[in-house]
Amino acid sequence: AQTVTQSQPEMSVQEAETVTLSCTYDTSESDYYLFWYKQPPSRQMILVIRQEAYKQQNATENRFSVNFQKAAKSFSLKISDSQLGDAAMYFCAYRSADSGGGADGLTFGKGTHLIIQP
Amino acid sequence: SQTIHQWPATLVQPVGSPLSLECTVEGTSNPNLYWYRQAAGRGLQLLFYSVGIGQISSEVPQNLSASRPQDRQFILSSKKLLLSDSGFYLCAWNGRGKAGNTIYFGEGSWLTVV
Repeated sequence: AQTVTQSQPEMSVQEAETVTLSCTYDTSESDYYLFWYKQPPSRQMILVIRQEAYKQQNATENRFSVNFQKAAKSFSLKISDSQLGDAAMYFCAYRSADSGGGADGLTFGKGTHLIIQP
Repeated sequence: SQTIHQWPATLVQPVGSPLSLECTVEGTSNPNLYWYRQAAGRGLQLLFYSVGIGQISSEVPQNLSASRPQDRQFILSSKKLLLSDSGFYLCAWNGRGKAGNTIYFGEGSWLTVV
């Protein structure tokens, strides 16, 4: 079974600064997908960024980028120019590419609480 | 575009009472649908998923059940709630095309069992 580990229960960053959230995972599979989801106080789970394991290029979405190290099984999220609206819980998630046609769900980490200091 | 809605947003129910949480998806057909639960201070736990009408798979044995009476409708139920059923419940659906392996979530429902 796959596991996802987020070793930072909480992180704090000054507004406009850059912060990196860590995520490691364990799998014996070669093809899979990795995600970062954001959960603000409203509790809705919002997709931030998505990475296909077969792609060497790191995914980017505006101020959000990842550092995907497949051999090290590491998938960190970098948030540049942090804004107050970035304050939230951030969850790293793994999904097997061989998930029975989409029948299976995700394996989530326990989350990192990101605090933005004004 | 595709959207997902679930309701009610907040629910306070006594122990032993029934439960019904409803989720609908718009703008797509034959989606894979999921129910997750998030207990306080914890990550998400997959409860049920469905690949079609009437097809339900349970990930965790528990006091809850799910049904899919229509293609884009997914219902989470219980006949008698327990205190341990309290939590935040999220409905989700599986994207299509380029986003075929991405799961998108609804707004969530807070359930407090008292």
